[in-house]
Amino acid sequence: EAQVTQNPRYLITVTGKKLTVTCSQNMNHEYMSWYRQDPGLGLRQIYYSMNVEATDKGDVPEGYKVSRKEKRNFPLILESPSPNQTSLYFCASSSYPGQGKTPLHFGNGTRLTVT
Amino acid sequence: RKEVEQDPGPFNVPEGATVAFNCTYSNSASQSFFWYRQDCRKEPKLLMSVYSSGNEDGRFTAQLNRASQYISLLIRDSKLSDSATYLCVVGNYGQNFVFGPGTRLSVLP
Repeated sequence: EAQVTQNPRYLITVTGKKLTVTCSQNMNHEYMSWYRQDPGLGLRQIYYSMNVEATDKGDVPEGYKVSRKEKRNFPLILESPSPNQTSLYFCASSSYPGQGKTPLHFGNGTRLTVT
Repeated sequence: RKEVEQDPGPFNVPEGATVAFNCTYSNSASQSFFWYRQDCRKEPKLLMSVYSSGNEDGRFTAQLNRASQYISLLIRDSKLSDSATYLCVVGNYGQNFVFGPGTRLSVLP
């Protein structure tokens, strides 16, 4: 089954404790992206990647890191989480944007709470 | 001006009503267009891709107007289960996918 898998689904952590949210896709997609969503706000892009070793900042990259060493994986790293990073996070993947009609496929989301 | 804009909403409509959403995009080179629906605190799910000739899927019809740079979504015979936020997404070749802010729909009994 074609899917984007995020882990964990729920995470509660403390300020300053480094964490990684994993994202993996099995569709051989070039494009992957991370978003956060806060109550009353739309999706805001954190980072995206057009292919292996190619990452770019989105709208709200501060406090986050990503890497794309393999095509299928795009982990989101919070080196020193703070309470303002408490949010719902989504990973998504697709073929090259604008190429054909391949839409974005989303993971189920990760609810992160930083205390 | 934001790259992708949508009707601000929210839309509150009775069951059985027809409702239309509009979305405008600023990049004339945009190549791909989609409508997603998002239920509260869940991942967005693809509702429809939007084709140049327009396309229909049951009660849903999507249209693309490249000259005016807007896409639309028409929902006929609204159901309670259609209540959600509808997101317009545009794909720009070689660049990025861009999301509109979303329009919330509440279908009332």
